[in-house]
Amino acid sequence: DTAVSQTPKYLVTQMGNDKSIKCEQNLGHDTMYWYKQDSKKFLKIMFSYNNKELIINETVPNRFSPKSPDKAHLNLHINSLELGDSAVYFCASSTGDSNQPQHFGDGTRLSIL
Amino acid sequence: GQNIDQPTEMTATEGAIVQINCTYQTSGFNGLFWYQQHAGEAPTFLSYNVLDGLEEKGRFSSFLSRSKGYSYLLLKELQMKDSASYLCAVRSSGGSYIPTFGRGTSLIVHP
Repeated sequence: DTAVSQTPKYLVTQMGNDKSIKCEQNLGHDTMYWYKQDSKKFLKIMFSYNNKELIINETVPNRFSPKSPDKAHLNLHINSLELGDSAVYFCASSTGDSNQPQHFGDGTRLSIL
Repeated sequence: GQNIDQPTEMTATEGAIVQINCTYQTSGFNGLFWYQQHAGEAPTFLSYNVLDGLEEKGRFSSFLSRSKGYSYLLLKELQMKDSASYLCAVRSSGGSYIPTFGRGTSLIVHP
């Protein structure tokens, strides 16, 4: 199936731990994104990569570090997790055309204990 | 920056028509997207408008007025499965071209 897939789907961990979320797309898209969706359902851009190069880094704590080994993958590593990091994290991808939509993964539900 | 406004919640009856509005303020408008997001799922693309007017896709239509900074999503013949959040996202021509999402409108369809 052609899709954006991210793992894990659920992540429950303790404050202070370090965790990673993986994302892969087989749609042949050049651009990938990480979004954070909080409890109020507001979808906020965190990072965007185009052909493995960082093009957007919104105001995100430097505890969050994206890594793109190739244009089909964009992983997110989070250090020293805090309670406020609890949210759903969505990976997405798109082509470089401005009229084309983003395709989203199913989300990773991160809960910090 | 961008400012996008949508109603937080709407309710409607199965079989009816509902219009979800989105108003925006942006410098250099370059397209508006509507997405549907069911609870616990990923947003999925519904429609795209970049020129003024109505785009129709089956039961769903989307309208854009660039001069008024206004769009709406029209859902006809509502079904229970249309209960979801509807997200308006605006792309500007300045900067990154990455769409900014509104907070979404939660639509509840009841029998």
